[in-house]
Amino acid sequence: QSVLTQPPSVSGAPGQRVTISCTGSGSNIGASFDVHWYQQLPGTVPKLLIYGNNNRPSGVPDRFSGSKSGTSASLAITGLQAEDEADYYCQSYDNNLSGSEVFGGGTQLTVL
Amino acid sequence: QVQLQESGPGLVKPSGTLSLTCAVSGGSISSSNWWSWVRQPPGKGLEWIGEIYHSGSTNYNPSLMSRVTISVDKSKNQFSLKLSSVTATDTAVYFCGASGSYYHPRHFDFWGQGTMVTVSS
Repeated sequence: QSVLTQPPSVSGAPGQRVTISCTGSGSNIGASFDVHWYQQLPGTVPKLLIYGNNNRPSGVPDRFSGSKSGTSASLAITGLQAEDEADYYCQSYDNNLSGSEVFGGGTQLTVL
Repeated sequence: QVQLQESGPGLVKPSGTLSLTCAVSGGSISSSNWWSWVRQPPGKGLEWIGEIYHSGSTNYNPSLMSRVTISVDKSKNQFSLKLSSVTATDTAVYFCGASGSYYHPRHFDFWGQGTMVTVSS
């Protein structure tokens, strides 16, 4: 059971917009900790997609954007492409106990 | 550009100790990076194990803290993971990662390719 909750799967047709939610609580996202997002293509290493809620590393297309509000965050992908089919993970920090980096359970994006 | 490469046994016996090393190239382990271990069981999500700074300061996942030790070897520009008393639930791909973030949550800018470790007799 992940501390951050993501939908197991989302899907969309090419060209469409999809969003992936990441729901936390008052000890992580709600405690004003930032959220990062990673993309993991099948059989590959996770790649940093969004950091600090809404910042894109160099080379990440502006089709990808992030937002955060309250105890939740979202990743939006516009102009969906076949190459976007991957698993997506959110990450934040939880200050329960001695504190820990935490990941969401992951969301599998299918491009129809 | 920092490059990371994990190495270690791919098979560990139950109740044994899992030992992995992450070699750092393209940069110094004494730079202002935090060096982490993350694992991913087959078909499942990511789990943060812990991190170390070159000073030796460490932070661990509370759920694994009693079994985990992360250390750094500056002379070899590498850091290591030891996970004791392993069971089948520790079977996973183990990644090493690097973060230049000062504050939590630290985003992982660089990742190793990952190494599969199976716990089985």
